[in-house]
Amino acid sequence: QSALTQPASVSGSPGQSITISCIGTSSDVGGYNYVSWYQHHPGKAPKLMIYDVGNRPSGISNRFSGSKSGNTASLTISGLQAEDEADYYCSSYTSSSTMIFGGGTKLTVL
Amino acid sequence: QVQLQESGPGLVKSSETLSLTCTVSGGSVSSVSYYWSWIRQPPGKGLEWLGYISYSGTTNYNPSLKSRVTISVDTSKNHFSLKLRSVTAADTAVYHCARLYCSRTSCYWASWGQGTLVTVSS
Repeated sequence: QSALTQPASVSGSPGQSITISCIGTSSDVGGYNYVSWYQHHPGKAPKLMIYDVGNRPSGISNRFSGSKSGNTASLTISGLQAEDEADYYCSSYTSSSTMIFGGGTKLTVL
Repeated sequence: QVQLQESGPGLVKSSETLSLTCTVSGGSVSSVSYYWSWIRQPPGKGLEWLGYISYSGTTNYNPSLKSRVTISVDTSKNHFSLKLRSVTAADTAVYHCARLYCSRTSCYWASWGQGTLVTVSS
């Protein structure tokens, strides 16, 4: 199975908004509302930011939002803050009952 | 709060078997709707799902690694394990154990271990 497609990097200034895309197929992203997003600082455990396309876990800022259209899911971070700088990964359930990740996106806050 | 902790050798010789264990605290490996998984991240690369074992003992593996991977669970010790056979340098990575929650209406990685670096040496 091929990884979901994410941009390698995105950047934005404090206060701005950015969007990270996650492109899959009808067998994963497009076929199920089971897309989730994770924030990862190297050396630490990844942190769940969005689950089931657009749901935020308790304790996650409402600056983080998720959506999906067809085979593409998106994570939007509004009001960028320096602490948001990290790697972000999308993940999806697949029609083979397996799980798949995106290649990861490095977010830089300028 | 469920916590996961990986343990095992940090150095494995090429062609041998990589073995890791994930100890679960604050929860049970027998919990319904949870799938106990291994995920790795090679240096400079992204996350790769290796496989999972369900609360009922059903396994599913990444097709690209299926012939070399075995995941098992020990309910008496509340831990689960990974074996990756015939390793090469390409298997050098940080290995995370993780808890996947999947039901009819929801599916996401609910908990992660911090990860352990395994280096394959020649």
